Amino acid sequence: DVKVTQSSRYLVKRTGEKVFLECVQDMDHENMFWYRQDPGLGLRLIYFSYDVKMKEKGDIPEGYSVSREKKERFSLILESASTNQTSMYLCASSPGTSWETQYFGPGTRLLVL
Amino acid sequence: QKEVEQNSGPLSVPEGAIASLNCTYSDRGSQSFFWYRQYSGKSPELIMSIYSNGDKEDGRFTAQLNKASQYVSLLIRDSQPSDSATYLCAVNFFGGYQKVTFGTGTKLQVIP
Repeated sequence: DVKVTQSSRYLVKRTGEKVFLECVQDMDHENMFWYRQDPGLGLRLIYFSYDVKMKEKGDIPEGYSVSREKKERFSLILESASTNQTSMYLCASSPGTSWETQYFGPGTRLLVL
Repeated sequence: QKEVEQNSGPLSVPEGAIASLNCTYSDRGSQSFFWYRQYSGKSPELIMSIYSNGDKEDGRFTAQLNKASQYVSLLIRDSQPSDSATYLCAVNFFGGYQKVTFGTGTKLQVIP
């Protein structure tokens, strides 16, 4: 079974803090994604990566950055957390050039105070 | 802005009935269509994919696609309380790197 893990299930941070969310997949997938999910807004793509050290902006990249130094690991960075970044963050991965079947991690619920 | 629209619900159906979930999308060039199920507090999981017009059946689930009407639906036959979840429609808008856009989801409640 594909397994996507995220470093934390729940996280509480203060405004202005630098926040790291980590995602690891164990199926050698090329593609990895970061989404945030908010009530009424659905899943929105923040960034994605199709290869090591490669990254592309999604629909809402402002305030975020990413890092992919190893194929299995994709990190989301909030440089200076703000209250409007309080959300559920979901990481996903998919094989090859297909984005079709995305496997999601359990999610990290981030609260920024 | 490419869009995927779903009625947020909740859609309530009695146990054993057919649940019908609907989704419309804005881009005629869309290639692939997916249904994900998300239980409360859990992450989405893929349950169906469909690529050509018509119906695709998998157990109690049937996905229906009509590209001319830009409409995709999911039918759940013999609905069970365990089907109660939010169902997300996702559409692949091909252009450069393929991009999947998710709808906001329809919450389904199956009443015992």
